[in-house]
Amino acid sequence: KQEVTQIPAALSVPEGENLVLNCSFTDSAIYNLQWFRQDPGKGLTSLLLIQSSQREQTSGRLNASLDKSSGRSTLYIAASQPGDSATYLCAVGIGGGYQKVTFGTGTKLQVIP
Amino acid sequence: DTEVTQTPKHLVMGMTNKKSLKCEQHMGHRAMYWYKQKAKKPPELMFVYSYEKLSINESVPSRFSPECPNSSLLNLHLHALQPEDSALYLCASSQQGSGRELFFGEGSRLTVL
Repeated sequence: KQEVTQIPAALSVPEGENLVLNCSFTDSAIYNLQWFRQDPGKGLTSLLLIQSSQREQTSGRLNASLDKSSGRSTLYIAASQPGDSATYLCAVGIGGGYQKVTFGTGTKLQVIP
Repeated sequence: DTEVTQTPKHLVMGMTNKKSLKCEQHMGHRAMYWYKQKAKKPPELMFVYSYEKLSINESVPSRFSPECPNSSLLNLHLHALQPEDSALYLCASSQQGSGRELFFGEGSRLTVL
């Protein structure tokens, strides 16, 4: 059974700092990996999707990497802003006709002005 | 348009009521999902519809009844719920095949009295 862990559970950084969020998974036979952010009481916003054949994806200040062999993904956020404060979830997808995922436990990020 | 729309945003119901949650997407996605999320936990998969057919039922109690009237709509019918069913209910959609990025709605906050 796939298990997905995100460490740390919570992180507080000053504005402007570069930071890395970690996601670890136990079964390397994944189809893809997706990073989301979730604001309190809201839905999930997709940030980046990395296919299993890819090593990284970039969108603006965000860069996500994937190392299947070691069971790890990282989300790098450059020049953090207070608006980046949210909970960040990674989700590991398995094969099949639709996107069945196992979610990580989440990292709650606070960026202090 | 990458929008998944959920209604209502908030719902309060008694244990004897019958109500429905609705979800709509116009991205041409043929897979649609219902998730349940409790506070400070990651979303848990409830149901998956693929090409309007129920593909996954994650042992959800029969007081939750999903319906997919067409490729754009997904409903969740609620009947005789318990207070522990109070949660944020999230709808998502994705393409079939490669890609398969999950897109979520804003959720319906359900409170069962």
